[in-house]
Amino acid sequence: EDQVTQSPEALRLQEGESSSLNCSYTVSGLRGLFWYRQDPGKGPEFLFTLYSAGEEKEKERLKATLTKKESFLHITAPKPEDSATYLCAVRPGSGGSNYKLTFGKGTLLTVNP
Amino acid sequence: DAGVTQSPTHLIKTRGQQVTLRCSPKSGHDTVSWYQQALGQGPQFIFQYYEEEERQRGNFPDRFSGHQFPNYSSELNVNALLLGDSALYLCASSLSHAGLQPQHFGDGTRLSIL
Repeated sequence: EDQVTQSPEALRLQEGESSSLNCSYTVSGLRGLFWYRQDPGKGPEFLFTLYSAGEEKEKERLKATLTKKESFLHITAPKPEDSATYLCAVRPGSGGSNYKLTFGKGTLLTVNP
Repeated sequence: DAGVTQSPTHLIKTRGQQVTLRCSPKSGHDTVSWYQQALGQGPQFIFQYYEEEERQRGNFPDRFSGHQFPNYSSELNVNALLLGDSALYLCASSLSHAGLQPQHFGDGTRLSIL
């Protein structure tokens, strides 16, 4: 069974204090790993798709990386508006008809001014 | 460009009742997935609809059923509601047969069971 574990569960940073969020996964062949951001009372907002080990994607202060067992979301010089829950999800590649995303529980990031 | 829209935003029901939630996909998308998100948890896959058929189902009982219409919109029906069905129900849309496309989510329906 596919599994996604995110750590830490919660993270408090000061504005400008860079850090990383971790997503460890077990999946039957990885078709894609997705990062989402979720604000309170809202649905997840898509950030990145990573397809293969060694791949990196960047968007503003966020950079996502992928290895064969885990993904990291690096946040450089965060601002208070980066406060949100960050969700990681995997889609397996084995089996031609497996379309579901398996999510982790998320990391709640709080950035204090 | 309208994103994924869901209705209603909030709903309160009592145990044993039935509920129908609605979803309109993002313009150009043909596939709709439904997820259940309990407080403090990540979304859990319920099922996915494509070409008006249920294409894949997660570990949810038959009380959960769905439908997709020719215009790609979708409904989620839950019968015989239980207290444990209280959650945020998320709809996500995507485009099939276009490579590995991300699923885009609506803001969900918050369902409370009394």
